Amino acid sequence: GQQVMQIPQYQHVQEGEDFTTYCNSSTTLSNIQWYKQRPGGHPVFLIQLVKSGEVKKQKRLTFQFGEAKKNSSLHITATQTTDVGTYFCAAPTNNAGNMLTFGGGTRLMVKP
Amino acid sequence: KAGVTQTPRYLIKTRGQQVTLSCSPISGHRSVSWYQQTPGQGLQFLFEYFSETQRNKGNFPGRFSGRQFSNSRSEMNVSTLELGDSALYLCASSLDFHNEQFFGPGTRLTVL
Repeated sequence: GQQVMQIPQYQHVQEGEDFTTYCNSSTTLSNIQWYKQRPGGHPVFLIQLVKSGEVKKQKRLTFQFGEAKKNSSLHITATQTTDVGTYFCAAPTNNAGNMLTFGGGTRLMVKP
Repeated sequence: KAGVTQTPRYLIKTRGQQVTLSCSPISGHRSVSWYQQTPGQGLQFLFEYFSETQRNKGNFPGRFSGRQFSNSRSEMNVSTLELGDSALYLCASSLDFHNEQFFGPGTRLTVL
């Protein structure tokens, strides 16, 4: 079945440093979604990328979708302690609904 | 608009028992998906219901079942509980096809 690989699993950064997490799929994706889960919380939708080569920004967060629509990345500039949490990418498993395959997540820890 | 609600928030059961979890989606959302989250396996898709019909099913044994009512509220049932069923069960609602998913706070199930 479809697999979405996400690296790294964990990342410790000093506050103010940048952070990037990557997602890769062996198959072409129709779209990719990104979610953030704070410790003890539930996943919260961040963004959806649909077009090949798409780049979207949300304040300090930059999301990219690869040209081949097989990979994606999330980059955070100048991390803050509020960025702490696990970031997941997720992609539709099929074209018949909302079944998502989630990446394993990258847990971001920020040292103040 | 009220978010996705799940009840109960916490459950402790013993092996062999059965459990029913409930999810109320955001008003107007007809798609309800269920996910199991564990430290070892991450977020795994259980099933999706749309307009009272199961639209997608993940790779879980038949002990896991669900249903959706005419008001879009959904329930999932796990029979003959096993220790490995201990997890956070998340419900997510969506407006329609390939849209962002709004997750509820989850039900933390512990099987002893």
